Amino acid sequence: KNQVEQSPQSLIILEGKNCTLQCNYTVSPFSNLRWYKQDTGRGPVSLTIMTFSENTKSNGRYTATLDADTKQSSLHITASQLSDSASYICVVSAYGGFKTIFGAGTRLFVKA
Amino acid sequence: DAGVTQSPTHLIKTRGQQVTLRCSPKSGHDTVSWYQQALGQGPQFIFQYYEEEERQRGNFPDRFSGHQFPNYSSELNVNALLLGDSALYLCASSLEWKTGGELFFGEGSRLTVL
Repeated sequence: KNQVEQSPQSLIILEGKNCTLQCNYTVSPFSNLRWYKQDTGRGPVSLTIMTFSENTKSNGRYTATLDADTKQSSLHITASQLSDSASYICVVSAYGGFKTIFGAGTRLFVKA
Repeated sequence: DAGVTQSPTHLIKTRGQQVTLRCSPKSGHDTVSWYQQALGQGPQFIFQYYEEEERQRGNFPDRFSGHQFPNYSSELNVNALLLGDSALYLCASSLEWKTGGELFFGEGSRLTVL
């Protein structure tokens, strides 16, 4: 069964600190993995997209890693800011027809 | 370059009514997908349209139907509304539905069913 699981479910950190969010998937055959940021009540916005051959991809203070062997990905946020408070959703797509599976997301709260 | 636009942004309906939500895809995109997102949950795939046909469908009842027009815009219709249909409905557009192209989301339509 195609699944995407994210952890932790929620996280509270102090402004300026770093944090790492996890995503484990069983989607097959793997095509790509994306991380989205979703502010409350808004549509998700893409942060990174990685294919099978990519291990790391950065977008400013956001760095995503992918281990296709263990089917794990992480999103590392450096020097967090209050505006980073949002849900971060891991999305995995499979080849052979449209199969895109969403994780439930990690809710990040950055406090001053 | 206009992104994905959805309308209306908010609406309130009562049980048993019908609702139509609209979506215009990002310029150049030919594929539209609809998602339902309950509070605190990740988006759940409803269905996807490409070339005016429903190509894929998630685990949603027939009360949920859709349409894609020649200009690639799309509508989501929900009949016989239930309280549980209250959610944020997201539209996403992409290119090349078969290869899982990057999704660009609209801001969503917030539906409240009383």
